[in-house]
Amino acid sequence: ETGVTQTPRHLVMGMTNKKSLKCEQHLGHNAMYWYKQSAKKPLELMFVYSLEERVENNSVPSRFSPECPNSSHLFLHLHTLQPEDSALYLCASSQGDRVPDTQYFGPGTRLTVL
Amino acid sequence: AQTVTQSQPEMSVQEAETVTLSCTYDTSENNYYLFWYKQPPSRQMILVIRQEAYKQQNATENRFSVNFQKAAKSFSLKISDSQLGDTAMYFCAFMNPPGGGSNYKLTFGKGTLLTVNP
Repeated sequence: ETGVTQTPRHLVMGMTNKKSLKCEQHLGHNAMYWYKQSAKKPLELMFVYSLEERVENNSVPSRFSPECPNSSHLFLHLHTLQPEDSALYLCASSQGDRVPDTQYFGPGTRLTVL
Repeated sequence: AQTVTQSQPEMSVQEAETVTLSCTYDTSENNYYLFWYKQPPSRQMILVIRQEAYKQQNATENRFSVNFQKAAKSFSLKISDSQLGDTAMYFCAFMNPPGGGSNYKLTFGKGTLLTVNP
C-alpha cells in the first residue's frame, strides 16, 4: 500500500467501550497528526508527533489517548467517549523538516458513539 | 491567532465551465503558506495546490490556479474546464511560518462544497 492508511474505516461504539484507531504511513515521513472533522466545522488538530515524540496536544480530553510507537504508525485509543465525539477522524503525515511541510491525509475513520 | 474564512458553504458549476472559490485569512505574519485541499465524497483529502506568501507569482497546477492577493489577505481557487470528478469539499488552509516549533500547524476553513453538474 502507498500513502497514508487508516483502519477501521467505520467504527460504532458504545460510551463504555474501549477501541483504538490505527494509522500507518508509507511515505517515510517523520511527523504524524490526528485531526477531528465534524460537520460544518473546520478540521480540528488534536495531536502532533514528530520523530515519535508528542509535540502538540491541542486541549484534547483525556478520553482520547494517542500513541506513536514508531515514525510509521500512530494510534488513537478511545475510552468512555461521548456522543458528541462522533466525527470523522483523520490521520496525516508530513516530512517534518521541509518548508512548507505539506501534510498528506489518510481516508479517515468514521466514528459513531451511541 | 490565525483564522481562515470560506464564505461560500456551497457552490455549483456546469461541466466545462470555470468556477472560483474564495478564501480569506487573517494573520500578522509576513511569510506563511497557503493550501487548497480537496475532499471528494467518502474519499481521501488530497492537496490541490499550495502557495508560498513570499512568491508573487500565482501557483498553477493544470486546471487549478490561485489568485493570491497578499495585501487583501485573499487566496481564491480557480478551477477551469470543470469536470464531474471535481465535485468535492474544498478546504483552504493556512500554515504558520517556520520556526518556534509551529511550522506544522495547519489552520483550516470550514470548506466549500462544490458540485459540478453535467
